Amino acid sequence: DADVTQTPRNRITKTGKRIMLECSQTKGHDRMYWYRQDPGLGLRLIYYSFDVKDINKGEISDGYSVSRQAQAKFSLSLESAIPNQTALYFCATSIGGYDTGELFFGEGSRLTVL
Amino acid sequence: GQNIDQPTEMTATEGAIVQINCTYQTSGFNGLFWYQQHAGEAPTFLSYNVLDGLEEKGRFSSFLSRSKGYSYLLLKELQMKDSASYLCAVMDSNYQLIWGAGTKLIIKP
Repeated sequence: DADVTQTPRNRITKTGKRIMLECSQTKGHDRMYWYRQDPGLGLRLIYYSFDVKDINKGEISDGYSVSRQAQAKFSLSLESAIPNQTALYFCATSIGGYDTGELFFGEGSRLTVL
Repeated sequence: GQNIDQPTEMTATEGAIVQINCTYQTSGFNGLFWYQQHAGEAPTFLSYNVLDGLEEKGRFSSFLSRSKGYSYLLLKELQMKDSASYLCAVMDSNYQLIWGAGTKLIIKP
């Protein structure tokens, strides 16, 4: 089983619908992240959380919200999806502290907004 | 602004050596990462450089020159399974990762 699990892996939805992408991890890491990846662009950080009570906006948080339900769970919501939110979304974790900062990624959730 | 530049695509032959360059301009520097990403899959960590010089790990090596804002990933004895995108990322002064768009490496027999 993957250490970082994302659900759903693929989702097609319509403009205006609310969507939730879920991430759970068994690595015991405190830090969790949501990224989106678009063709020709680098990974862009949406939100990150350093522990259960800590939520921070990333580079492109507009139109998204998150919830850190537990150390192991970090969900990303699109309250009203729009077509330019069509992308591949990755959840990632890291140990934290003054380590190398290596990220461990989930397998990705491909979202298509029609 | 902060910027990471790497070639969009490179082609190499099985068994050969390829060097993928990455140049960066960021607000501060707390390390440079290389990740490998096969098509449709998650990125996986390859290397981390924070001091100048060459770090070797099997067939893969990564070099850093902080004064030049430059790194490269060197892949030796290329195998077909090395066909993937290679992502360069720099951790800035706020410990945020800035990502390049990635270099798609195509390996030909």
